[in-house]
Order: sequence, then C-alpha cells, then structure tokens
Amino acid sequence: DTEVTQTPKHLVMGMTNKKSLKCEQHMGHRAMYWYKQKAKKPPELMFVYSYEKLSINESVPSRFSPECPNSSLLNLHLHALQPEDSALYLCASSQDGGSNEQYFGPGTRLTVT
Amino acid sequence: GENVEQHPSTLSVQEGDSAVIKCTYSDSASNYFPWYKQELGKRPQLIIDIRSNVGEKKDQRIAVTLNKTAKHFSLHITETQPEDSAVYFCAADMNTGFQKLVFGTGTRLLVSP
Repeated sequence: DTEVTQTPKHLVMGMTNKKSLKCEQHMGHRAMYWYKQKAKKPPELMFVYSYEKLSINESVPSRFSPECPNSSLLNLHLHALQPEDSALYLCASSQDGGSNEQYFGPGTRLTVT
Repeated sequence: GENVEQHPSTLSVQEGDSAVIKCTYSDSASNYFPWYKQELGKRPQLIIDIRSNVGEKKDQRIAVTLNKTAKHFSLHITETQPEDSAVYFCAADMNTGFQKLVFGTGTRLLVSP
C-alpha cells in the first residue's frame, strides 16, 4: 500500500462544533505531518510527528489539536474554529523525520460556517 | 528562517515546448529540494527531488538542476503535454533534524494543444 488516506473528504462545521480529521498510512512511515492549504497558496506546515511524538508545532492555535494514536494513524481534532480556518487540510507521511520524500493524502476540504 | 522564492507565477506554453521553473532559497544548510505537481482539486504529488550532493537529476521528460553556490534550483519539463498543466511547487528543507519543508509560492503551468 503506497497511499496516504484521509477522511472525511469534505467537512462543513459550525464555529461551536467539535470534529476530527483522520489520516492513515500503511507504508511503515514513522513521520507524519499536517498541512493547511488555502486556495492558490502553497501548503503550510502545522504539525510534525516523528515516531509518534510531536516534534514540530508551528505556533498553531490551540483550537487545532493533533493526536498520533499509533505509527499508522494521525488525527486532527477541531474545536471552536473560525471561518478563516476554512481550507484544505493535507496529511503527509515520510519514512522518518529526516530528508525523505513526503507523500500527501488527498486532503479534507473544511468549511467553517 | 528559510525563504523560498519561485518564478514565474504563471507560465503558458504550446504543446511540445519546454518549460522552466526557477526557485531560490535562503538557508545554505538546506540539502533536500523536492518538486510537487498539484492538479486542481488533487493532492500535491512528488514528481522529482534532488539532494545537495547532486547537481542534476533526470526522469524521462523532467529534470531538476541545483546550484548550491548560488542557492537556486530549477525544474525543466521537455516536450510538454496538456496533461502537464497544473500548479508546480518547489520546496526546500530546513535541515532541522525533523523534516520541515518550506514551499515556494507555486507556478501555474498551462500547456495549450
């Protein structure tokens, strides 16, 4: 299996809702990433997990809470989001946290109303 | 921190022509430079990458060159086809021990039949 999968594909949530994004890979990769991508912009790194430990938090607001239950799964818990948080949320994985190829999932298109 | 500049922002070519996209980076410690292709509504896909110990790498119609002294790298696509139309992002790693990619602003390539 050489894919990164993400669920759901689309998500609409109100500002008071709590929701979670899920990411899964079965390539044996030990580093996983969350990116945020606004329209016509490059992906922006949010979090990096290496060997199931949070290695990088790019000063992301606490309304975004990442979780890595095991080496294959990565979650992003969302709470009290703002309309400006609407974006494509991409998950990626790589062999480890070094300079290795990152493979992206298809993303979750999030709309906050 | 690392800054990656990418030019041009848009590029229109005729089918069969060559296309060149250029990037410059600021952090001399960067040593990994991937290129991603993102079609509309799709995930970024790694198309080629180069490491600092190599000056050029080719994969069929795609090639990447790296000039570490000048801190710039370029993507070359020969014999372009309409299916090459997409947004292309260059990136450079920050060599922090945990892979952090900094992306360029993207180039929208349009290949006309």
